[in-house]
Amino acid sequence: QKEVEQDPGPLSVPEGAIVSLNCTYSNSAFQYFMWYRQYSRKGPELLMYTYSSGNKEDGRFTAQVDKSSKYISLFIRDSQPSDSATYLCAMKSAEYGNKLVFGAGTILRVKS
Amino acid sequence: DAMVIQNPRYQVTQFGKPVTLSCSQTLNHNVMYWYQQKSSQAPKLLFHYYDKDFNNEADTPDNFQSRRPNTSFCFLDIRSPGLGDAAMYLCATSRGYDRPGGNEQFFGPGTRLTVL
Repeated sequence: QKEVEQDPGPLSVPEGAIVSLNCTYSNSAFQYFMWYRQYSRKGPELLMYTYSSGNKEDGRFTAQVDKSSKYISLFIRDSQPSDSATYLCAMKSAEYGNKLVFGAGTILRVKS
Repeated sequence: DAMVIQNPRYQVTQFGKPVTLSCSQTLNHNVMYWYQQKSSQAPKLLFHYYDKDFNNEADTPDNFQSRRPNTSFCFLDIRSPGLGDAAMYLCATSRGYDRPGGNEQFFGPGTRLTVL
């Protein structure tokens, strides 16, 4: 079993839709959770960062962490074609040398 | 703008011919990381420097080495590239992980390596 599981997609939605992207993880020691957006042939760009459980909102993006279920989500409201990219979840624990553990990424396609 | 820069963006080398990839940063971050990312896979950490301290991942092949001559620059050396080393190589930086904001890593655009 991988430490972080993420559905690879692709997920295709119409412009304006609400998108839900998810990751599950197995290691309860993870404390820090991140979402990265990666456009084709580019490096990952940090979108959201949360610590422990709860919600965090930034513009059209909302990150949720449910540590009891070992489940994190990224919601994108009013999705735009420019949101089309691969979304990688990543998480970290001080117990594991502060190394980021990534999911394999979900490909999102927003159609105009 | 403060940033992480990688050169070259595309590198072609021959099987067994040494190659060096370069990363520089203007963020003045303590930590610099090298990741390998193959198509449709998660980035895989190879090693990182916390200031001058080198930290190798246990499963990183000996074929991969790194140098950090100063705060701003870090190099990835592949001594004898094999076909399986063709990938995107990503450099990332962060503040010291024991410092505020130290959990956030900022990535460069990557170098795509082709091995012929």
